[in-house]
Amino acid sequence: RKEVEQDPGPFNVPEGATVAFNCTYSNSASQSFFWYRQDCRKEPKLLMSVYSSGNEDGRFTAQLNRASQYISLLIRDSKLSDSATYLCVVGNNFNKFYFGSGTKLNVKP
Amino acid sequence: DAGVIQSPRHEVTEMGQEVTLRCKPISGHDYLFWYRQTMMRGLELLIYFNNNVPIDDSGMPEDRFSAKMPNASFSTLKIQPSEPRDSAVYFCASSLYPGPRRDGTGELFFGEGSRLTVL
Repeated sequence: RKEVEQDPGPFNVPEGATVAFNCTYSNSASQSFFWYRQDCRKEPKLLMSVYSSGNEDGRFTAQLNRASQYISLLIRDSKLSDSATYLCVVGNNFNKFYFGSGTKLNVKP
Repeated sequence: DAGVIQSPRHEVTEMGQEVTLRCKPISGHDYLFWYRQTMMRGLELLIYFNNNVPIDDSGMPEDRFSAKMPNASFSTLKIQPSEPRDSAVYFCASSLYPGPRRDGTGELFFGEGSRLTVL
């Protein structure tokens, strides 16, 4: 079983739409959680960390559900520039970070 | 400030040849990670170093792969001999302290990657 599982998509949404991604992780002892963004043929870059109480950064909201072992990312008012692959990342207490395969988002005009 | 610097950006080689990928982490970062990305398997952690010492190499696929970090500003990933199934994008990443910190020090900073094709 993979450490981190994501729906690969693609999610095709119009500009202005709200879209949500989920990912699940297998290790209940995982300590840290992130969402990274990767543009086509580019390196991954941190979008936001995910905290137990949930957190928001502008149009982006991340939630963590430890009991069900899933993480979510909500994007409101989608922009064309949000088109990318979103990677769910889970870290254990040994500084090992496991990346999901990514969910591809296409925002259409 | 310069980010993580990797070289070469692209490498095309023939099966059986030795390949050496290089990485210069961000100055002051104590952690260095080597990842491999393919369509089939996504991003896989190969090995990571803390203060130049290899901490976990359990992701290194086989003995053909080796990694070194002779000093705080340089690391290499070597494949000898290379095989077509090694074709992938190899990313190096560095971090001051990996983990969720509100001051942003937990982030992994990735280089632009080295795209390897083994024919």
